[in-house]
Amino acid sequence: AQRVTQPEKLLSVFKGAPVELKCNYSYSGSPELFWYVQYSRQRLQLLLRHISRESIKGFTADLNKGETSFHLKKPFAQEEDSAMYYCALSADSNYQLIWGAGTKLIIKP
Amino acid sequence: KAGVTQTPRYLIKTRGQQVTLSCSPISGHRSVSWYQQTPGQGLQFLFEYFSETQRNKGNFPGRFSGRQFSNSRSEMNVSTLELGDSALYLCASSSGQSTNEQFFGPGTRLTVL
Repeated sequence: AQRVTQPEKLLSVFKGAPVELKCNYSYSGSPELFWYVQYSRQRLQLLLRHISRESIKGFTADLNKGETSFHLKKPFAQEEDSAMYYCALSADSNYQLIWGAGTKLIIKP
Repeated sequence: KAGVTQTPRYLIKTRGQQVTLSCSPISGHRSVSWYQQTPGQGLQFLFEYFSETQRNKGNFPGRFSGRQFSNSRSEMNVSTLELGDSALYLCASSSGQSTNEQFFGPGTRLTVL
């Protein structure tokens, strides 16, 4: 079955510290993985997708097919990174996104 | 392009009532997905409509239903409301092609008393 797991409901780090939000997936085909972010009082929006291989707001994520992971990383956290982060999987068999439970990231000053 | 709009933004209903929520997608988008968002359960997929047909469905009871019109606007209906239906209901639109980005609306905050 297709599944996305975000093991941490809450992650709290100090400003300037590295951040890693974990995402593991279960899917036997060729997945496309996404990270969406929801800042306070804002809409849920796409942060990045693995096929574009971009760095957005200092965040990067690498698809590791061997470990079936797509962890989101940033070397130096900023207070404005505080938000809810969702990892999502698009299976090539349908057009539905499979969502993780989300991780609330809090950056302490 | 105008973004995804949802109406109403806030609703207060009592148990047993029914409610209809509306979503207008981005112009040209043919797919509309609906989600329920709660602090405890996160983002739960309700259903997705593409070209007026339900293409995908989540694991919600039959009290939750939806439809899509020829202009791609979508409505979702919840009948016989329960206290546990209190949540933020989000809709997202996309072109409907595989692996395409979803654009979210601001949500409708439903409170069931």
